[in-house]
Order: sequence, then structure tokens, then C-alpha cells
Amino acid sequence: EIVLTQSPEFQSVTPKEKVTITCRASESVYSSLHWYQQKPNQSPELVIKYGSPPSSGVPSRFRASGFGTDFTLTINSVEPEDAATYYCHHSASFPHAFGQGTKLEIE
Amino acid sequence: EVQLVESGGALVHPGGSVRLSCAASGFTFDDYAMQWVRQGPGKGLEWVSLITWDGRETHYGESVRGRFTISRDNSKNSLYLEMNSLRTEDTGLYFCVKDNSGGSYPDHWGQGTLVTVSS
Repeated sequence: EIVLTQSPEFQSVTPKEKVTITCRASESVYSSLHWYQQKPNQSPELVIKYGSPPSSGVPSRFRASGFGTDFTLTINSVEPEDAATYYCHHSASFPHAFGQGTKLEIE
Repeated sequence: EVQLVESGGALVHPGGSVRLSCAASGFTFDDYAMQWVRQGPGKGLEWVSLITWDGRETHYGESVRGRFTISRDNSKNSLYLEMNSLRTEDTGLYFCVKDNSGGSYPDHWGQGTLVTVSS
């Protein structure tokens, strides 16, 4: 069973700062790593799949990179609406899994 | 527009059972695998189960394997989760999730149905 570990678990930033969230897999997930955003009292939404450009409707300030065991989600020039919890998720093998989440606060 | 509407959530005693349902619309249901993901109160997301488009393959997370059973009825565009031998740690919001294809990533989520396991 592959375990995903995110860091940091909490981050507080001001608008226009650059945010970096990392996700480390306990073994290779190749490129099968995806990122989700969940705002309070809402269902999660797909932000980026397989490290490709952001999904439809997601701002271009979101970028993802990585392969194998180390991945990064970057938000360039963060905006107040980006306040949420972000989860990485792998689909490389069964069982699939999510990271524990990174709560992003915008001051 | 993809719509996933869960139902069946309930207050259940430890050791009890409950069956969740998900009504899907807005896409060709039997073209896609489907999943269940849960979230405990104030906690993160936990992957629960996946079923292939034809129901021939099912997969489960370690914490529910042997107790939960995922199934689907393509004639009714419906997904199910039979939950047995429930524990307090099974309490949470259960999301019905559409897979992007045959077993990859979730691309659409329902609003969830709440299961509470308590004595």
C-alpha cells in the first residue's frame, strides 16, 4: 500500500505570495499523482491531473510538477479565493490513496 | 452536466449495517469506473473503493476490505456501497465519485451522505 505524505500540513500566506506544497510517495507512483482543492463545506474539486496544465476552469497560477516519489503543487501569486485544503492523490495501484492534506490560509 | 446524488446515510449502532446509493446523470454511466471516498468529521479524505464500468473488478481500502461491498446497476445508472460490521471510525461523509476512465482519478464528486456510527 502506497502512502502519501504532504508538507506542510498548514501554511499561512499573504495575497500575491508564492505557495509550494509537496507530496512524497512511499514508493513510485510514476506520473499518476493528482491534486484536489476542498473549500470549507464543499466537495473536493480536481485542480491538476498527472502534472499537466490545470483542469478546465482552474486558474493558470496553479502548476504541478514531479515524477516517481516527489511532487509539488505551486500556486503563483496566491489570491484570497485560494484559501482551502489541498490534497494529493495517487492512482498508480490499488488501493488508491490521498495525502493527509495541506490547509492554506490567506491572511 | 454531471450529477451525482448520494442517499442512504443514517445513524447506525456499532456492528450494524447500512446501504448507500448514488444516482448518476449527465454522462454515459456504463462508460466509467466509479468510486467511493469518505471524510471523517474534521479529517482528511480517505479512498474507500472502486468498481470498474462492468462491475467485474472491485477494489477496497485496507480499513474497509471484507466489511464493505461496492456494486452498481448500469440499467439504473446507480452505484451502491453496502457497509457491514460498522465501527465508530467509519463515521463520516461518504462521497460518490466518477472516475475519469477505467480506474484513474476522480473527476466529479457528489455532495456526500453522512453516516454516523454511534451507540
